[in-house]
Amino acid sequence: AQTVTQSQPEMSVQEAETVTLSCTYDTSESDYYLFWYKQPPSRQMILVIRQEAYKQQNATENRFSVNFQKAAKSFSLKISDSQLGDAAMYFCAYRSAFGPRDTGRRALTFGSGTRLQVQP
Amino acid sequence: DAGVTQSPTHLIKTRGQQVTLRCSPISGHKSVSWYQQVLGQGPQFIFQYYEKEERGRGNFPDRFSARQFPNYSSELNVNALLLGDSALYLCASSSESGTSGVSSYEQYFGPGTRLTVT
Repeated sequence: AQTVTQSQPEMSVQEAETVTLSCTYDTSESDYYLFWYKQPPSRQMILVIRQEAYKQQNATENRFSVNFQKAAKSFSLKISDSQLGDAAMYFCAYRSAFGPRDTGRRALTFGSGTRLQVQP
Repeated sequence: DAGVTQSPTHLIKTRGQQVTLRCSPISGHKSVSWYQQVLGQGPQFIFQYYEKEERGRGNFPDRFSARQFPNYSSELNVNALLLGDSALYLCASSSESGTSGVSSYEQYFGPGTRLTVT
């Protein structure tokens, strides 16, 4: 079974500065997908960024980028130019790439989350 | 386009009662997954349904059951409620169209149903 660990329960950043959220995972699979989700107080889980394990290039979405280290099983999220609206819970998630649908391997495995506060 | 919708938004039940939560996926999506998110934790996988069939089950007791209807909407039922069932229940839909790439399997989440068991 796969596990996802987020070791930072809370982080704080000044507006306009950069912050990095950490995530490590454990798997014996060779191909998989990794995600960062944002959950604001409204509770809606919003996809921030995704990374395919077979791609060496780190994913980037505007102010959000990842540092994917496959050998180290590390997947950190960097938020540049932090904005007040970035304040939320951030969850790292893992999903297998292979497997027939009937084994439920499309399910996401989430970490415990990191609460990000943005100070004005 | 409308996103994933869930009803009700909140509900309060008493221990031992039964509850039904509802989810409508994004139009064209054929798969629905259910997750339980206890306060302060990440979501935990409960079920995945595809084309009205159960495709996966997480580590939850038999008190939890679900079904998917011909229009791909889904219900999650929980019997004999316990205090520990108090949580945010999230529904996610995906197209599972079989095309290449991750996007067809990407899960889009609804706003959740907050269940409180007293």
